[in-house]
Amino acid sequence: DVKVTQSSRYLVKRTGEKVFLECVQDMDHENMFWYRQDPGLGLRLIYFSYDVKMKEKGDIPEGYSVSREKKERFSLILESASTNQTSMYLCASSLSQAYKVGQPQHFGDGTRLSIL
Amino acid sequence: ELKVEQNPLFLSMQEGKNYTIYCNYSTTSDRLYWYRQDPGKSLESLFVLLSNGAVKQEGRLMASLDTKARLSTLHITAAVHDLSATYFCAVDIRNYGQNFVFGPGTRLSVLP
Repeated sequence: DVKVTQSSRYLVKRTGEKVFLECVQDMDHENMFWYRQDPGLGLRLIYFSYDVKMKEKGDIPEGYSVSREKKERFSLILESASTNQTSMYLCASSLSQAYKVGQPQHFGDGTRLSIL
Repeated sequence: ELKVEQNPLFLSMQEGKNYTIYCNYSTTSDRLYWYRQDPGKSLESLFVLLSNGAVKQEGRLMASLDTKARLSTLHITAAVHDLSATYFCAVDIRNYGQNFVFGPGTRLSVLP
């Protein structure tokens, strides 16, 4: 089974802090994704990566950056945390569709981040 | 702007009844995914639908895709309490790589 592990289940930070959320997958997946989930809004894509050192902006990248130095690890960075970034953050990974079309994304358990 | 809509957003039903959740989307795609999320848990992949007319079934759940109508359905047969969860559909809008756009979710409560 695919395992996507997020470093923290709950995190409390202060406004203005630099925040790092870490995600590791153990299935050698090429694709990795960061979403935030807010009530009534579903999941919204922040950033994604198709390969090491590659990244692309999703729908809501403002205030965030990412890092992918190794294939198995994808980090989300809040450069200067603000209260409107309080949310549930979900990491996902999937196999490249170059192998087979229709690969589902596999999700981690999420990090509930509160910015005070 | 791409929209993925789900109806209903909230569904309360009795055990043993049948019901259908609808997922409409506003762009061309032949790759649609259904996920389940239990409270406080992550998303679990249920179905992958990859062509017009695709139908997948697992237990009491059956999903179908009509790409011409841009509509997917998730049908629940003889609901049981264990099916209580939030169900999301997601449309992949990218030909190379993946870019999922999720619907808002349907919160299902199955009452005894």
